[in-house]
Amino acid sequence: DAGITQSPRHKVTETGTPVTLRCHQTENHRYMYWYRQDPGHGLRLIHYSYGVKDTDKGEVSDGYSVSRSKTEDFLLTLESATSSQTSVYFCAISEDTPDGDQPQHFGDGTRLSIL
Amino acid sequence: AQKITQTQPGMFVQEKEAVTLDCTYDTSDQSYGLFWYKQPSSGEMIFLIYQGSYDEQNATEGRYSLNFQKARKSANLVISASQLGDSAMYFCAMREGRAETSYDKVIFGPGTSLSVIP
Repeated sequence: DAGITQSPRHKVTETGTPVTLRCHQTENHRYMYWYRQDPGHGLRLIHYSYGVKDTDKGEVSDGYSVSRSKTEDFLLTLESATSSQTSVYFCAISEDTPDGDQPQHFGDGTRLSIL
Repeated sequence: AQKITQTQPGMFVQEKEAVTLDCTYDTSDQSYGLFWYKQPSSGEMIFLIYQGSYDEQNATEGRYSLNFQKARKSANLVISASQLGDSAMYFCAMREGRAETSYDKVIFGPGTSLSVIP
């Protein structure tokens, strides 16, 4: 299994508080992604990274920020959590290959509840 | 705007029969890749099969094959000889951006829930 660790695995917090989710990889892969999964929507891309300090927005980036100061760590921050951000968050990584044919490997997910 | 469409929210198939899960996509890139993933009720994401936009042959991996129709922008997953363990959510995903950048953005469709009936 690809070495991806998400922390925390579960979190309950209150509206308006800041929240940071961490994704740590031991594979030295170039690409890292954050998705949220909600019923009926599949996985929606929040932000992704194509290298240290190189990030870009996904489909649902409003209310989220990310940082990647080291190859192995990709942090997702909710500056002021809202109930609409209650979801399951998945981190994924993938290798950089000439054909882009390598699949993503996913973490186990973080279940975040905002009350 | 959503770029991956999976029009079948839920499907049923009899054990040992074949089933096709639909996926259509929209992109202006010439170079892109299409992936299918399986998510059982336990929650992990399992990679099944990949098709590159320049691949001339349809991809196959064991009981999985991909019916790739580039002009129609469709990439349907075919599962042959369904098994009870195939009951899961199935997601179609697309990697794009490679032609213009090397950023490899990957987006997913809403998924199809497949139930295999004994």
